[in-house]
Amino acid sequence: DAGVIQSPRHEVTEMGQEVTLRCKPISGHNSLFWYRQTMMRGLELLIYFNNNVPIDDSGMPEDRFSAKMPNASFSTLKIQPSEPRDSAVYFCASRSGTAYEQYFGPGTRLTVT
Amino acid sequence: AQTVTQSQPEMSVQEAETVTLSCTYDTSESDYYLFWYKQPPSRQMILVIRQEAYKQQNATENRFSVNFQKAAKSFSLKISDSQLGDAAMYFCASPNFGNEKLTFGTGTRLTIIP
Repeated sequence: DAGVIQSPRHEVTEMGQEVTLRCKPISGHNSLFWYRQTMMRGLELLIYFNNNVPIDDSGMPEDRFSAKMPNASFSTLKIQPSEPRDSAVYFCASRSGTAYEQYFGPGTRLTVT
Repeated sequence: AQTVTQSQPEMSVQEAETVTLSCTYDTSESDYYLFWYKQPPSRQMILVIRQEAYKQQNATENRFSVNFQKAAKSFSLKISDSQLGDAAMYFCASPNFGNEKLTFGTGTRLTIIP
């Protein structure tokens, strides 16, 4: 079975540009999580969805960040406009309704110059 | 868990030896889960092992096992016969019941000495 798929794996962009990160969860999983990892702050949960509905977005740093899950097999995390302090590794993870462990994608390394 | 603490920022072990990584947690729940994740240089977060608190038997996955001390709220990971491929950051984690969030420790960087 395919794991969680994220694209792109690397993204380099200039300050002020829009960035869109994509995630395809494991088929059959009904919860999806977006995390950000930095050296300073470690792993931070940004937002999570249950059955495509956003449940908790309290970790989203500010209005420049938005996330959508239009269907069970696709989610996006958008940053507009991007800033250098957004540089981090962004992970997507999914979870089935009958278990508590989350399965992570390979991450997207974002660099904003 | 409400908090997860890893007090060892770095550990090293000789290849083929055994190493134990420590984790303590705090929770008000009576039933909960605990996980260890591995993050190698490729940065992929990989689930290593899980423990269900109501099970008294310690979980084991090949060379990886846990020492779960529920009363002490301790959940350590033992890696036997360490291999070069075990070099990674290891994170202890537990879900917060009611909101499904995973609380992670700060991680332990494990180095394997050839």
